[in-house]
Amino acid sequence: QTVVTQEPSLTVSPGGTVTLTCASSTGAVTSGYHPNWFQQKPGQAPRALIYNINNKHSWTPARFSGSLLGGKAALTLSGVQPEDEAEYYCLLYYGGAQAWVFGGGTKLTVL
Amino acid sequence: EVQLVESGGDLVQPGGSLRLSCAASGFTFSSYWMSWVRQAPGKGLEWVANIRQDGSEKHYVESVKGRFTISRDNAKNSLYLQMDSLRVEDTAVYYCARSLVGWGECVYWGQGALVTVSS
Repeated sequence: QTVVTQEPSLTVSPGGTVTLTCASSTGAVTSGYHPNWFQQKPGQAPRALIYNINNKHSWTPARFSGSLLGGKAALTLSGVQPEDEAEYYCLLYYGGAQAWVFGGGTKLTVL
Repeated sequence: EVQLVESGGDLVQPGGSLRLSCAASGFTFSSYWMSWVRQAPGKGLEWVANIRQDGSEKHYVESVKGRFTISRDNAKNSLYLQMDSLRVEDTAVYYCARSLVGWGECVYWGQGALVTVSS
């Protein structure tokens, strides 16, 4: 069973920088996993932030960026704002099974 | 404006069936892959299934294979999820989502429909 692992929780100060990571139980995350990132606030549907590693949607704030880092997918927030406090999920594509798998989510606290 | 509106959520007994619908508007429905994603109460997101633009290709998470069927009607701009042999662990909010060309999966989301499986 494929497992996608994220940090359960992270805390960052307003104005700071934080990196969330996304690892695959199958090995290093490469471009072929086409990582996507999402933000979800309580009581709301998820909102897409990043697709295919580092592509932003038209609504994605400039302070969000995606990358591949040390065999993982990564989401970096630079100049964190209080409104960035949320749950963040990564999504990876597994070509063999032709299926997508979400990570368990990272609860980001801005304190 | 892209709009996705789910309907059909309900309380159903274990072993029962339910059909979810998703009405799409604001875009050319037949041009995009569509997906279902679910979220159990207090838990994370789980990708459930997706379907190709013309319905010729469908993929499922292992836990629903043989029980759930994704389908679409491009003439009605609608996506469906037929859920059979429902289990307690299928209890979740089910979201309909639209893809983006270029490996953007689940870019646009509906507000979700609650499915509760309980006796």
